[in-house]
Amino acid sequence: DAGITQSPRYKITETGRQVTLMCHQTWSHSYMFWYRQDLGHGLRLIYYSAAADITDKGEVPDGYVVSRSKTENFPLTLESATRSQTSVYFCASSGWTEAFFGQGTRLTVV
Amino acid sequence: GENVEQHPSTLSVQEGDSAVIKCTYSDSASNYFPWYKQELGKRPQLIIDIRSNVGEKKDQRIAVTLNKTAKHFSLHITETQPEDSAVYFCAASDTASGTYKYIFGTGTRLKV
Repeated sequence: DAGITQSPRYKITETGRQVTLMCHQTWSHSYMFWYRQDLGHGLRLIYYSAAADITDKGEVPDGYVVSRSKTENFPLTLESATRSQTSVYFCASSGWTEAFFGQGTRLTVV
Repeated sequence: GENVEQHPSTLSVQEGDSAVIKCTYSDSASNYFPWYKQELGKRPQLIIDIRSNVGEKKDQRIAVTLNKTAKHFSLHITETQPEDSAVYFCAASDTASGTYKYIFGTGTRLKV
């Protein structure tokens, strides 16, 4: 199916574990983004990418790592999960202006 | 760094009344200003956007105005209906530099 999909939809992990959230888009959009959504903070940009192999930090990058070896994939890795990283994570992609969001991943760190 | 402030955080209106949400951005290079609506448990979706070379844009019951000098833009919803109840986010982006990163406001929860 065309669009942008995230996996998993829900994830529970323990403090200190490594977790990878997946994001895949079928539009060949150049730009991809990762946001976290927390009550009272809105959508905060973690990392973004302008093209394959080009990534840059957003507002809250600490504790996260991204890669983009292929245009269609933009995985987000939490190297050592902390409770403060409990959140809803949204991936988005954009070809020129409008950003399209994935359905989100609800991550709980216990 | 870039910042977008959004007010109010919550807004309650009677059905049929108008609602106004205001945003202020800090990066003078911003030239694209979208508004997203997020219903409960769903992903944000674009409802209207405006570019810096336009002062106002309207689409049926929603409109957006932009004041570049003041770095201020607003969303106006007229004749509100229960289905307008959602969280609304403004955003600012610099599309000319090639980075295209969207900085969002903290959101406004609208109850109709």
